Amino acid sequence: GENVEQHPSTLSVQEGDSAVIKCTYSDSASNYFPWYKQELGKRPQLIIDIRSNVGEKKDQRIAVTLNKTAKHFSLHITETQPEDSAVYFCAANQNNNNDMRFGAGTRLTVKP
Amino acid sequence: DTEVTQTPKHLVMGMTNKKSLKCEQHMGHRAMYWYKQKAKKPPELMFVYSYEKLSINESVPSRFSPECPNSSLLNLHLHALQPEDSALYLCASSQRRGGETQYFGPGTRLLVL
Repeated sequence: GENVEQHPSTLSVQEGDSAVIKCTYSDSASNYFPWYKQELGKRPQLIIDIRSNVGEKKDQRIAVTLNKTAKHFSLHITETQPEDSAVYFCAANQNNNNDMRFGAGTRLTVKP
Repeated sequence: DTEVTQTPKHLVMGMTNKKSLKCEQHMGHRAMYWYKQKAKKPPELMFVYSYEKLSINESVPSRFSPECPNSSLLNLHLHALQPEDSALYLCASSQRRGGETQYFGPGTRLLVL
């Protein structure tokens, strides 16, 4: 089955700096890679996703890159703000009725 | 309506109680999920319903019993739980099972005494 590894487990940055979180996956058949943000006591919320037919996707300050050959994908947050502080989970999924596997999560702290 | 709702928000129960968690979505999604999330851990898949049929049961103890009365509703019946079952229980839904965005409900925070 799919195995997703996520690094780092904690990340602390100064407001305005960039943050990068990396994930690797094991199953080359995985083709859908969402990123979720979970604030304390709240539900996981989708912030960006990418499918295997593209290498990069951007939405304002957030971008995701995918390297299918190396089986890794990364979340990039630029100009970080204190409200970006949360736990971020990557995940990998396939079309053929397999289920989503999550990384272990990264606790991001943005210091004002 | 782009939201998954869950009730109750909080639940405290004894080890001999029977209770149910409820989840509802009106997005026309045909896959619904129950996840268990412990503090500082990712969501852990428990059950998947696809077109109202139970597709997967990730070796979950029988004290958890899922039910999908129709395409919009999902229940999780709880009986004789243990203190280690205390967690956040999240419901999610997606258009179809596999390769689709899952939308999460706010969760039910369960405490078993």
